[in-house]
Amino acid sequence: EIVMTQSPATLSVSPGERATLSCRASQSVSGNLAWYQQKPGQAPRLLIYETSTRATGIPARFTGSGSGTEFTLTISSLQSEDFAVYFCQQYHNWPPLTFGGGTKVEFK
Amino acid sequence: EVQLLESGGGLVPPGGSLRLSCAASGFTFNSFVMTWVRQAPGKGLEWVSRISDSGGSTHYADSVKGRFTISRDNSKNTVYLQMNSLRAEDTALYYCAKGGSWDYSGSGSPADWGQGTQVTVSS
Repeated sequence: EIVMTQSPATLSVSPGERATLSCRASQSVSGNLAWYQQKPGQAPRLLIYETSTRATGIPARFTGSGSGTEFTLTISSLQSEDFAVYFCQQYHNWPPLTFGGGTKVEFK
Repeated sequence: EVQLLESGGGLVPPGGSLRLSCAASGFTFNSFVMTWVRQAPGKGLEWVSRISDSGGSTHYADSVKGRFTISRDNSKNTVYLQMNSLRAEDTALYYCAKGGSWDYSGSGSPADWGQGTQVTVSS
């Protein structure tokens, strides 16, 4: 089973600042990595798939990058609606699909 | 617009059973892998199970293998999760998800999610 580790657990950011979230896989997942955003009381929403492809309707301020075992989600200029929990997930080696533990982006 | 509507959750004692349903609309149901993911209160996301577009291939997390069964009825655009021998640690919000069209491996990596149905296992 591939273990996904996200850091930091909590990221305190001011609106307008850049946020950088990290995700590490215990072995290579090639480019088969997705990112999800979850707001309180809501279902997760797909942001990014295949490491760097934005899902339909996702703003350009969300950028995914990386390969192999190291991945990054960058939010270039945080908006109020971006404060949420973010999860990475690999779909390279399954079953099981595995998710990271999440990074909470909170208001500084 | 993709819509996924879960139902069937509730309060059940340890050892009990529940059957979750997920009614899908807004896409060609029989062309997509479907997945169940759960989230315990205040915790992260845990993949539970997936089923191929035809229903001929299924996979389970080790934590539910032998107790849960995933199935689908393509004539009703519905996917099911039969949960038996429920344990306290199965308490979670259960999400139904549609696999991404970009996922050529057929893993069922979620592209669209329902709002979830709550399962609570307690005496």
